[in-house]
Amino acid sequence: DIVMTQSPDSLAVSLGERATINCKSSRSVLHSSDNKNYLAWYQQKPGQPPKLLLYWASTRASGVPDRFGGSGSGTDFTLTISSLQAEDVAVYYCQQYFSTPPYTFGQGTKLEIK
Amino acid sequence: QVQLVESGGGLVKPGGSLRLSCATSGFTFSDYYMSWIRQAPGKGLDWVSYISSGGSTTYDADSVKGRFTISRDNAKNLLYLQMNSLRAEDTAIYYCARSTGTYSPFDSWGQGTLVTVSS
Repeated sequence: DIVMTQSPDSLAVSLGERATINCKSSRSVLHSSDNKNYLAWYQQKPGQPPKLLLYWASTRASGVPDRFGGSGSGTDFTLTISSLQAEDVAVYYCQQYFSTPPYTFGQGTKLEIK
Repeated sequence: QVQLVESGGGLVKPGGSLRLSCATSGFTFSDYYMSWIRQAPGKGLDWVSYISSGGSTTYDADSVKGRFTISRDNAKNLLYLQMNSLRAEDTAIYYCARSTGTYSPFDSWGQGTLVTVSS
């Protein structure tokens, strides 16, 4: 199984500042057939289900503000929030969908306001 | 709009059974692949089971293999999870989620239903 590891486990950032969350996979999730990274990011606010933020590592899902960005390829990925807003307080998860199930998630990164 | 609504959770004793349902609307259910994903209290996300759009292919996590069975009724737009031989470690919120294919992210999730396994 592909193991996903996020860092840090928690993060406190001031409003308006940049937040950066990292995700590392135990093997590459870049598919040679289409040159796409099979990596998604989700946001989970307290008491809510997860919400898809980004897929193919960097494509924003419908309605996601452009302050959310994704980068990376192969085994190392980053979620960046360019200017933190109060409503961005949440737990963020990365997930690989490269292989047939099991799908695997990172352990989550809790983002708070400093 | 797309809706996924889980039901069937509750309190069950170890060794007991439950059947979860996920009622869907707002999209063509038979076009989508479906999964169950769970979240233990205060913990992260843990994929449980997957079923293809037509129902012919299923996958289960090792932790539930032989105990849980995923199924679907495309005529009724319903997804199911039959859970047998329940253990305390199965205690979690269970979410149903859809994807457009095997190699696709989960683009819509239900609100979840809580399963508590305790004597």
